[in-house]
Amino acid sequence: QQPVQSPQAVILREGEDAVINCSSSKALYSVHWYRQKHGEAPVFLMILLKGGEQKGHEKISASFNEKKQQSSLYLTASQLSYSGTYFCGTAIGTSYGKLTFGQGTILTVHP
Amino acid sequence: GAVVSQHPSRVICKSGTSVKIECRSLDFQATTMFWYRQFPKQSLMLMATSNEGSKATYEQGVEKDKFLINHASLTLSTLTVTSAHPEDSSFYICSGPGELPWNEQFFGPGTRLTVL
Repeated sequence: QQPVQSPQAVILREGEDAVINCSSSKALYSVHWYRQKHGEAPVFLMILLKGGEQKGHEKISASFNEKKQQSSLYLTASQLSYSGTYFCGTAIGTSYGKLTFGQGTILTVHP
Repeated sequence: GAVVSQHPSRVICKSGTSVKIECRSLDFQATTMFWYRQFPKQSLMLMATSNEGSKATYEQGVEKDKFLINHASLTLSTLTVTSAHPEDSSFYICSGPGELPWNEQFFGPGTRLTVL
């Protein structure tokens, strides 16, 4: 079942912050966050594992609430380059890489 | 991160023809690769899991006779769209998983298929 992302779209001015949420109805092994620009492949941002480990880019932060099966991606001091569509992908068990993606959140950063 | 290539990046074909898309892992070996399809302004939908040395596993609703997947080696997986129709026009992306426990997905650049 597809995880649910919120909000569907966000508009920011440079320097502002944003939070994107991802919620699943299933018990998750991991949550992956990607950013995709039009016509391009998704770019890796962050992975959060059940149990607390996480790996990702320095300027990106995220959280994973295992009790609620919810993850949030925190974008601080946004830059124009942050614009794009953000997807969370969820994995159940160690189903070796098989991800189910949310519907996406469109982030637009204006000067 | 690891590198995955796809070829071709764009293809335009006539309705009824077959199109083959190649996905290569350039600097790692992949016993498993994943094929996704993405329609405009929509999410990535997993089509199938490609397994080296065995049959692909298809997601519910994906026609295995239409989307033929062959995992020829530890570095190559191919997706063939047979008898393509305009509704098959989409962005097809492959990915290879990284090591446990992360299972980070290394995505190819994608193939834009347009069926006329």
